Amino acid sequence: QVQLQESGPGLVKPSETLSLTCTVSGGSIGTYYWSWIRQPPGKGLEWIGYIHYSGSSNYNPSLKSRVTISVDTSKNQFSLKLSSVTAADTATYYCAKMAGAAVAGTWGQGTLVTVSS
Amino acid sequence: QSALTQPPSASGSPGQSVTISCTGTSTDIGSYNYVSWYQQHPGKAPKLLIYEVSKRPSGVPDRFSGYKSGNTASLTVSGLQAEDEADYYCSSHAGSNNYLLFGGGTRLTVL
Repeated sequence: QVQLQESGPGLVKPSETLSLTCTVSGGSIGTYYWSWIRQPPGKGLEWIGYIHYSGSSNYNPSLKSRVTISVDTSKNQFSLKLSSVTAADTATYYCAKMAGAAVAGTWGQGTLVTVSS
Repeated sequence: QSALTQPPSASGSPGQSVTISCTGTSTDIGSYNYVSWYQQHPGKAPKLLIYEVSKRPSGVPDRFSGYKSGNTASLTVSGLQAEDEADYYCSSHAGSNNYLLFGGGTRLTVL
């Protein structure tokens, strides 16, 4: 059973870059697609983007100019970088394994990132 | 592209059935049979309930069912139980440029 675990700083200053890593255990990252999804406090879900182990990626148009998702198959990890953050980027960030077309089948527990000076 | 539209709340008594709607457009729900539903309890990660409109992953009770007609999808929870009280989110594929859209979520209360 694949498990996912997010890690990274819980506090980021405005205008800086948010960086998170998702570690995949119980299976290889060398299959499927892998996504980042976020949820502002008390609000709904927003898809950020996905990456394939081959390196191909796709991003939410509203975030595309600020997002980079990368994969490290040697470490069974994939990562998120979101630049020029503001308070609006404060959210719980989830990593997820895509089980099929546009289906987030397995989720990490999530990590809260607060943007504040 | 705007999020999919869900009612903010729904409720029902134990044993009853409740249906939650999810309205999109001809470029998302209306174009693809890639509608999913997720259940989220407070403080927990979302859990996949339904995928490809009406399919259930292993372990999801058959009390949960999905349907789609035109630009609107729906989730029905039959035989409501106390543990069904949670937030429910729909999602849909929306083409290669906006791969995955979510609804705003519906809070289900079991009275």
